[in-house]
Amino acid sequence: QVQLVQSGSELKKPGASVKVSCKASGYTFTTYAMNWVRQAPGQGLEWMGWINTNTGNPAFAQGFTGRFVFSLDTSVSTAYLQISSLKADDTAVYYCAVIGLAEPFDIWGQGTMVTVSS
Amino acid sequence: DIQMTQSPSSLSASVGDRVTITCRASQGIRNDLGWYQQKPGKAPKRLIYAASSLQSGVPSRFSGSGSGTEFTLTISSLQPEDFATYYCLQHNSYPPTFGGGTKVEIK
Repeated sequence: QVQLVQSGSELKKPGASVKVSCKASGYTFTTYAMNWVRQAPGQGLEWMGWINTNTGNPAFAQGFTGRFVFSLDTSVSTAYLQISSLKADDTAVYYCAVIGLAEPFDIWGQGTMVTVSS
Repeated sequence: DIQMTQSPSSLSASVGDRVTITCRASQGIRNDLGWYQQKPGKAPKRLIYAASSLQSGVPSRFSGSGSGTEFTLTISSLQPEDFATYYCLQHNSYPPTFGGGTKVEIK
């Protein structure tokens, strides 16, 4: 079964860090880039960036540089999103997603809620 | 960055209605566009890729059209399970960008 399974909800204090995992199964992990998408409470979808699962090279959208890190462990088909120096407005659901462009392959994780509150 | 302007931002419709949602791109994106459906508390699910290709398993009442700067998602006969928020996503130009979303509510 093709799926992405993300780690569970997190409650963090401002200034802390968080690491979200996204484990892939049912397909060859290194075939597709892994995207990360943010959705703040009651808001729309925002593409954060992606990581090339072959080379490990990341690319970030504007507004997601500096405090955001994408990483991989290809031995366990898992991608990671780490956010440091958390702020209240980082509170959001974070999705990992494989988005096939001109082809049908498109799978999303179930989302990870990160809440930043003192 | 390419801006995707989605309209309307919300609409009320009845079961059986024909519904049309539009996305306009700030510059031409060929047919490099997908449409997503999102229900509360759930991950987005793609309905259409390459502007007009139906994702496997998606009911045929959903259709997409357009090329260049103007794109349309049509639901030919709205069903109860279609009440959700819909987003377009362009991937022609880096970075990929989403439209602002259209919330489809029950009239």
